Amino acid sequence: ILNVEQSPQSLHVQEGDSTNFTCSFPSSNFYALHWYRWETAKSPEALFVMTLNGDEKKKGRISATLNTKEGYSYLYIKGSQPEDSATYLCAFVMDSSYKLIFGSGTRLLVRP
Amino acid sequence: DAEITQSPRHKITETGRQVTLACHQTWNHNNMFWYRQDLGHGLRLIHYSYGVHDTNKGEVSDGYSVSRSNTEDLPLTLESAASSQTSVYFCASSENTEAFFGQGTRLTVV
Repeated sequence: ILNVEQSPQSLHVQEGDSTNFTCSFPSSNFYALHWYRWETAKSPEALFVMTLNGDEKKKGRISATLNTKEGYSYLYIKGSQPEDSATYLCAFVMDSSYKLIFGSGTRLLVRP
Repeated sequence: DAEITQSPRHKITETGRQVTLACHQTWNHNNMFWYRQDLGHGLRLIHYSYGVHDTNKGEVSDGYSVSRSNTEDLPLTLESAASSQTSVYFCASSENTEAFFGQGTRLTVV
């Protein structure tokens, strides 16, 4: 069974704080790493799809980095806002299977 | 606009009954997936398909089956519902890039 781990499990921050989460995945047979944002009562939506070691992606105040050799990815949120409150999921794709194996997520709560 | 829809959104069934959850996508994606979401586990893969007549077991496939007779649909069947299958079920589709998810089906087995 492939192990995809995310930490922390949950995070409470104040509005304006910057924060980051970690996703750890197997470093062998890497194909892609996805990040999704999942708001309560909605379905997950893709933030980033990362495929190359050293990749850095950015969307507004959110960015992500990828290290495939050591098997981790970081997601950063700069200047958190209450609307950033959500669960952030990473998903590992092995070889070219295109089967997404998800971590259990980091639940972020941003207090006004 | 292309979309992926699940039905029903909520269902209550009795232990031992057969239940089928529908998933329909208009993206024309080859890859389709079923996940279940439980507290502390994130999304766990039940079954997946890479195309018509192709089905594969995921990490938690016991007690579930799927069939793929066309590109658009991947129904998930619980052969004999058990209380341990009470969960929220998500269907997703992709074409070798980001996945698109349905709105989820909340299933309660009593």
